[in-house]
Amino acid sequence: DAGVTQSPTHLIKTRGQQVTLRCSPKSGHDTVSWYQQALGQGPQFIFQYYEEEERQRGNFPDRFSGHQFPNYSSELNVNALLLGDSALYLCASSPSRGLNEQFFGPGTRLTVL
Amino acid sequence: QKEVEQDPGPLSVPEGAIVSLNCTYSNSAFQYFMWYRQYSRKGPELLMYTYSSGNKEDGRFTAQVDKSSKYISLFIRDSQPSDSATYLCALMQGRRYSSASKIIFGSGTRLSIRP
Repeated sequence: DAGVTQSPTHLIKTRGQQVTLRCSPKSGHDTVSWYQQALGQGPQFIFQYYEEEERQRGNFPDRFSGHQFPNYSSELNVNALLLGDSALYLCASSPSRGLNEQFFGPGTRLTVL
Repeated sequence: QKEVEQDPGPLSVPEGAIVSLNCTYSNSAFQYFMWYRQYSRKGPELLMYTYSSGNKEDGRFTAQVDKSSKYISLFIRDSQPSDSATYLCALMQGRRYSSASKIIFGSGTRLSIRP
């Protein structure tokens, strides 16, 4: 079992650009959640996907959007990047019947210059 | 007031010591309490979770929840240098899809075990 995988590992963008991050969930998991983790902080919930629909959302602007595919993999898109979007973006997968058992991927480190 | 408060540390102890990590929270609706370990530049790793009040033990790790005090703890016995990491407490109200199933994380405590 490969666990949760994310790509790319690192990314450098400039202000105003757009970025797409990708996540493949752990085998047997159908729910994907995305988090933003700033340096020295705990992860902050962005949104959660199940059955290809956004089920709930944290306090993030509409510049943050996502998608889930039929094979449960997911994308996070961020438009009009700001310097403050620089962070580690984490994907977590879980079974729909056990949302408290979230398994995290290694993250994508995004740097916005 | 933050929903979850966690002492950021850093906390440095000698190898073999008992470590106590703690979080306090304000919302009495939280029912699921998790502890994650995060090594530098890695994703968080789920260590254990507890439902409602009580203790749960897994090897050298013990999680304790006191809902009356809104206080949760993680104890590490016989600490090892490999335990050096950031420990995150995480709380959730419910397991089904609703606003209650968001996981709220503490800011993490940096722990260093000295050989």
